[in-house]
Amino acid sequence: NAGVTQTPKFQVLKTGQSMTLQCAQDMNHEYMSWYRQDPGMGLRLIHYSVGAGITDQGEVPNGYNVSRSTTEDFPLRLLSAAPSQTSVYFCASSYDRVGQPQHFGDGTRLSIL
Amino acid sequence: GQQVMQIPQYQHVQEGEDFTTYCNSSTTLSNIQWYKQRPGGHPVFLIQLVKSGEVKKQKRLTFQFGEAKKNSSLHITATQTTDVGTYFCAGTNAGGTSYGKLTFGQGTILTVHP
Repeated sequence: NAGVTQTPKFQVLKTGQSMTLQCAQDMNHEYMSWYRQDPGMGLRLIHYSVGAGITDQGEVPNGYNVSRSTTEDFPLRLLSAAPSQTSVYFCASSYDRVGQPQHFGDGTRLSIL
Repeated sequence: GQQVMQIPQYQHVQEGEDFTTYCNSSTTLSNIQWYKQRPGGHPVFLIQLVKSGEVKKQKRLTFQFGEAKKNSSLHITATQTTDVGTYFCAGTNAGGTSYGKLTFGQGTILTVHP
């Protein structure tokens, strides 16, 4: 049982490049979400999904896309990377949206030059 | 929108001293969760409080949920070097257009000097 797996762990991009951060969970969780963590800002919600085929925007969605074709996978796409997107990205999952502990992946440390 | 404020942002203590972090929400919460993130790691769930005035303990950690369900605190008695990390609260909004939304506080970074 691997829990929540994120790849890659580290990535350096140039401004304007695109890339996809991968997230997979093997706990059959319905709810999945993406957060970014910046110093002094806590964890800010980017996008979330309450089940396969359903996604919605969080607090800071601009510049990011998501899709949820299966229960297990929830990739985050950066369309055209900008230095402001330099951050640590965490994927999380839980059984349900409300009142359930969030299980976090190890994170992806992303630098945009 | 819902805001969850957490103070202090930083806390430096000597090993053996107590530590408290406070969490305040602009809206009524249906529950509040606490997480710990070790340096370089990911947030790990500690506990969830649901009832008004609820108090829960985990060894040296005491968690409280306010009577109005808008604030919470985490108190660590006699800190140890293993307590180092960032402590986050996360509140679930109880109603309105943001029902069910989970909002994290900014976190309190705890350092413990041996």
